[in-house]
Amino acid sequence: AQSVTQPDIHITVSEGASLELRCNYSYGATPYLFWYVQSPGQGLQLLLKYFSGDTLVQGIKGFEAEFKRSQSSFNLRKPSVHWSDAAEYFCAVGILTGGGNKLTFGTGTQLKVEL
Amino acid sequence: IAGITQAPTSQILAAGRRMTLRCTQDMRHNAMYWYRQDLGLGLRLIHYSNTAGTTGKGEVPDGYSVSRANTDDFPLTLASAVPSQTSVYFCASSPTGEETQYFGPGTRLLVL
Repeated sequence: AQSVTQPDIHITVSEGASLELRCNYSYGATPYLFWYVQSPGQGLQLLLKYFSGDTLVQGIKGFEAEFKRSQSSFNLRKPSVHWSDAAEYFCAVGILTGGGNKLTFGTGTQLKVEL
Repeated sequence: IAGITQAPTSQILAAGRRMTLRCTQDMRHNAMYWYRQDLGLGLRLIHYSNTAGTTGKGEVPDGYSVSRANTDDFPLTLASAVPSQTSVYFCASSPTGEETQYFGPGTRLLVL
């Protein structure tokens, strides 16, 4: 069975600083990988996804992530964090199943941005 | 276009009571999903449906049931609620052949 590990429960960065959120996955085949963001009291919004091809994927809000097969990682990055980026971030791995896609989520990383 | 709507927004429920959480999407997506979100555990899949008329069990299906009579609706029922079912419940959907899931705003359930 697939699994996702987000080793950092909380991260605090200063506004304008760079950000990297770690994600490691376990899955026997080539995974479909996702990053979602959740603001307080809200649902999940897709930031970016990797299915195949270029291992560096660009997403919304200036985020990017790099798929590294050798490290089983899909880390999320942003060169300059804005205060509005404070939220909880979830990495997920998906497997296709009969027309649907079952996602397994990590436990999330809470991002705090200091002004 | 509303996307995915969930009702109620929040609910306090006595243990032992029956409760149905509603989920409706207007995107004509074939696949729909129910997740629960608990602090420190992330989101876990309860049940899913790849198309109308079919359902499947996810990671934590016990105590929950679902039905999929049509494309748009995917209700989640707790037959006899227990305090451990206190959680935030999210419904999601995805088009066939598209791996991205789109999430509703969630239902916050407290079982006392």
